[in-house]
Amino acid sequence: EAGVVQSPRYKIIEKKQPVAFWCNPISGHNTLYWYLQNLGQGPELLIRYENEEAVDDSQLPKDRFSAERLKGVDSTLKIQPAELGDSAVYLCASSLGSGDTTSGANVLTFGAGSRLTVL
Amino acid sequence: RKEVEQDPGPFNVPEGATVAFNCTYSNSASQSFFWYRQDCRKEPKLLMSVYSSGNEDGRFTAQLNRASQYISLLIRDSKLSDSATYLCVVNGAGSYQLTFGKGTKLSVIP
Repeated sequence: EAGVVQSPRYKIIEKKQPVAFWCNPISGHNTLYWYLQNLGQGPELLIRYENEEAVDDSQLPKDRFSAERLKGVDSTLKIQPAELGDSAVYLCASSLGSGDTTSGANVLTFGAGSRLTVL
Repeated sequence: RKEVEQDPGPFNVPEGATVAFNCTYSNSASQSFFWYRQDCRKEPKLLMSVYSSGNEDGRFTAQLNRASQYISLLIRDSKLSDSATYLCVVNGAGSYQLTFGKGTKLSVIP
């Protein structure tokens, strides 16, 4: 079974340019997360989807970041325009999202991440 | 108090040593607790889930203390391959609102 797939793995852009990241979660996983991870820090939540609904986007900088999960499967995270401080690893994760959490419904599986460098 | 706090590390231990990490959390209503392992330049991967007072998996033991609001991870007989960053994860207001600590870096030395 394929895991969480992300692309691109690496992206180098100049500041003020747009960039987009794509994520395909594990088949059957209803909940999808986008996290940002800076060097030496833990992942920080940007947005969480339950199916196609964004249920937690309080930490998403909405002036430049946007995300969508139109059909409740794959998702895209966009930054426009990018700033130097956006250089980080963008991690996508998914979980079953339904059922008893004591049976692992909220266990996260991560993709390999998209490493962004803004010059 | 931050939602999830971990020992700052780094921990440098010799092979065969026993090492323990602590993690404190602020939300007394939290019900889901995890330890993830992250290798350098890789994604986090689930090491252990902690759903009750604690559980054991081979050399790894996780314990939960609800009264003091902390979880711990004990690694016995450390191997070189245990070198990684260990992330503590706790749920917040909802079961799917998962917050990560900053991680504790472990280096096992020959």
